[in-house]
Amino acid sequence: DVKVTQSSRYLVKRTGEKVFLECVQDMDHENMFWYRQDPGLGLRLIYFSYDVKMKEKGDIPEGYSVSREKKERFSLILESASTNQTSMYLCASSFSGTGEETQYFGPGTRLLVL
Amino acid sequence: SQQGEEDPQALSIQEGENATMNCSYKTSINNLQWYRQNSGRGLVHLILIRSNEREKHSGRLRVTLDTSKKSSSLLITASRAADTASYFCATDQGNYGQNFVFGPGTRLSVLP
Repeated sequence: DVKVTQSSRYLVKRTGEKVFLECVQDMDHENMFWYRQDPGLGLRLIYFSYDVKMKEKGDIPEGYSVSREKKERFSLILESASTNQTSMYLCASSFSGTGEETQYFGPGTRLLVL
Repeated sequence: SQQGEEDPQALSIQEGENATMNCSYKTSINNLQWYRQNSGRGLVHLILIRSNEREKHSGRLRVTLDTSKKSSSLLITASRAADTASYFCATDQGNYGQNFVFGPGTRLSVLP
C-alpha cells in the first residue's frame, strides 16, 4: 500500500513563527504536492514538485516555500506564519508519465496560527 | 482557479438510497477523477474516467462523463452510513500535467 505520512496531525503556532510541514512517501513517486483546504474552497494547490530539487508554483504560493532535497520528502515552509494561513494542509504524491496519475494523500496537518 | 465544481454542496439521504453528485468543469480534459474524504482525513482515490469513456463502474460506484457538456456525475447505489464523506472531482486540465484541479466537494450524509 502506498503510504504518505505527514509530520504532524495538529500544530499550533504563533504569528511570525517559521513553520515546517514535512511529508514523506514510500512509493518512489516522482510527483509531490502541497494543498491547503478551507471550507467552501476545496483544495487549492500551493506548490508541487516533479523531481528532486524541482518545484513549481501552484495557485496560491504566496507566503509559502518548499524544499525537495530527497525524492521521498517534500517540505512546506511558512516563512512567517500569519493567521490567514490557519488551514488544513494536505500532502499528496503520484507517479509521473502515465497521463492518468492518481494522487495519494497523507492524513493532513491542521495548522492553527494564533 | 476552480476547474471542477461539484453540485450539490451537501446531500443528505437515508441508508439504502442512491446518491448522485455532479461535477462541472471549464476546460477540455484528458481524464477526470473522483476522490472521497472522510472527516478530517486525507483524500482517497475512487475512480478515474478517461475523456473517451462515457461510463465506468466500480462496485457500487457509477461514473458518467459528458465532454460536450463538460460534466460528470458520481452515483453511489444502495448507500451505507460508511459512505458519509465529502466527494471531490479532479480534472487534469487537458495537459497531461501532473497537477489536478479539485472542486469544492459535495458533503454526503447517509443517515441510518
